[in-house]
Amino acid sequence: GAVVSQHPSRVICKSGTSVKIECRSLDFQATTMFWYRQFPKKSLMLMATSNEGSKATYEQGVEKDKFLINHASLTLSTLTVTSAHPEDSSFYICSAEPASGGHSSYEQYFGPGTRLTVT
Amino acid sequence: QKEVEQDPGPLSVPEGAIVSLNCTYSNSAFQYFMWYRQYSRKGPELLMYTYSSGNKEDGRFTAQVDKSSKYISLFIRDSQPSDSATYLCAMNTGNQFYFGTGTSLTVIP
Repeated sequence: GAVVSQHPSRVICKSGTSVKIECRSLDFQATTMFWYRQFPKKSLMLMATSNEGSKATYEQGVEKDKFLINHASLTLSTLTVTSAHPEDSSFYICSAEPASGGHSSYEQYFGPGTRLTVT
Repeated sequence: QKEVEQDPGPLSVPEGAIVSLNCTYSNSAFQYFMWYRQYSRKGPELLMYTYSSGNKEDGRFTAQVDKSSKYISLFIRDSQPSDSATYLCAMNTGNQFYFGTGTSLTVIP
């Protein structure tokens, strides 16, 4: 149980285009999903916290107009990188925190990540 | 000072060795302590999860929390080449997760 999927796993796009990444919790409902960015040999950097049905909360320094987050349902959150630039190339990972009732509310489960390359 | 400090390594050990991975932290409000394993180009996978001080054992893995010293450890017994990965510690106040930078471990056959 507690499986999170991400799609696509890898994407290459041209500078100036937009890319959407999906994060789904497959066997549990997640009221909260998190989006992280990970640079090589670096830890996870939290970008934003996404709550179902409400606006995402962005971390300081993360441009909300560039990284659009939509948490449309209890099992789906999307991250759209708008007007992508080469410096946006990174490994993007989502995680989902189970809604209380089935799991501890302090656990989170990670997706497999999406490798974005902007050329 | 970072909330969570973790030696990035790399750490290289022979197969069968006992591995000790550690993190220190500064926020006494942390209540939940996690260890994640991350293989190259994959998302982190939850390995162990403990609440408050004490030990928790799961197979070859033991997680230890010492809240008085603000120090947590993950021990891996009889290490295997398949344990080669980056290990991230994480902590939670109940509102937000904080991650260490990860320790890269290689177990040599």
